[in-house]
Amino acid sequence: NAGVMQNPRHLVRRRGQEARLRCSPMKGHSHVYWYRQLPEEGLKFMVYLQKENIIDESGMPKERFSAEFPKEGPSILRIQQVVRGDSAAYFCASLTLDAGDETQYFGPGTRLLVL
Amino acid sequence: GENVEQHPSTLSVQEGDSAVIKCTYSDSASNYFPWYKQELGKGPQLIIDIRSNVGEKKDQRIAVTLNKTAKHFSLHITETQPEDSAVYFCAASVGNAGNMLTFGGGTRLMVKP
Repeated sequence: NAGVMQNPRHLVRRRGQEARLRCSPMKGHSHVYWYRQLPEEGLKFMVYLQKENIIDESGMPKERFSAEFPKEGPSILRIQQVVRGDSAAYFCASLTLDAGDETQYFGPGTRLLVL
Repeated sequence: GENVEQHPSTLSVQEGDSAVIKCTYSDSASNYFPWYKQELGKGPQLIIDIRSNVGEKKDQRIAVTLNKTAKHFSLHITETQPEDSAVYFCAASVGNAGNMLTFGGGTRLMVKP
């Protein structure tokens, strides 16, 4: 069973461009989370999705950021008109809750650099 | 919302010694407390977790203790090895299983051979 997959692993964008980050959860996992990590800091929750639904987006900036988890395909975190402050590592995690497993399994992250 | 504080931010120990990392949380409704290890350039990996109905849990050289009254929990690593060197994060979750995790600021553990 492959782990959580994220791509790209590294992404460079110029200010004003769009960034699209992809996350494929572990097989059988229907819950996806996005977290952001600034250098030398802990992870900060952004959004929690289940298939086709946003469950909790309390950590997501109101503007420029959006997330989706369609019925088919990976979850996408989209950042429009990127600014230098968006530079960070973005981690996706997935979860199943089957058999009482509440572990959030993390992917390797996408490191976004905004020039 | 929940707030998790973690100490120390860096910890250096000699190989074979024990390491202790402490976290406090603010929301008494928190009921799930995982610990993650993050190596350079990688995503966090769960190393141990504990639920609020348990006071202590052990897995080989790693143990976690929880004091609900004081709202703090600790990670204990015994007989440390150089490969234990990494950044460790505590986290807390409120309410139903699957809710968001609130992370502490991390502890950089260095185990000197």
